[in-house]
Amino acid sequence: SQTIHQWPATLVQPVGSPLSLECTVEGTSNPNLYWYRQAAGRGLQLLFYSVGIGQISSEVPQNLSASRPQDRQFILSSKKLLLSDSGFYHCAWSVGGGGDTQYFGPGTRLTVL
Amino acid sequence: AQKITQTQPGMFVQEKEAVTLDCTYDTSDQSYGLFWYKQPSSGEMIFLIYQGSYDEQNATEGRYSLNFQKARKSANLVISASQLGDSAMYFCAMREDTTSGTYKYIFGTGTRLKVLA
Repeated sequence: SQTIHQWPATLVQPVGSPLSLECTVEGTSNPNLYWYRQAAGRGLQLLFYSVGIGQISSEVPQNLSASRPQDRQFILSSKKLLLSDSGFYHCAWSVGGGGDTQYFGPGTRLTVL
Repeated sequence: AQKITQTQPGMFVQEKEAVTLDCTYDTSDQSYGLFWYKQPSSGEMIFLIYQGSYDEQNATEGRYSLNFQKARKSANLVISASQLGDSAMYFCAMREDTTSGTYKYIFGTGTRLKVLA
């Protein structure tokens, strides 16, 4: 069966510091991968999605970037965090080639102070 | 542009009763998918149920069913025999195609359900 991991689970960072969130998927090959952000009390905002290694589509560039160095690894980064980057970050996957259902990881709660 | 609307920010239901969470959508695509997710206080999004636009039968998964009314563009979630553990945020989502051959998903703003003992 497929499993999706995210770490860290919780992160508190000062404004202006860098960020690196990691997501890995097990039990499947060539998945579609997604990063979402959810501000407190809000819905999900799609940040990036990827259909393969090195292929990244950006929905909301802002000061974030994403990379996919391996088939089942997806990384979300920032060089300088803003207060507005606080929120809950979700990584999700779906079957490559147009699989329907999206499955989510446990998420990372980020607080920028 | 595709859009998902959830008009109920909060709902209460008595334990063991049924509850309907509303979702309407807007799309010009002929082929699309509709989803419901549950988000407990832990924050993780848990997939509940899926309905394809060409499915003639309403989807069911245990105590969850999706009341799909294509002409009205609604995809309401029905939870039967509510349990205290059903208290959570619920999100409706829709799949849309991209030029890269995969899907993107747009989400509604969510409904917070509270089950009362």
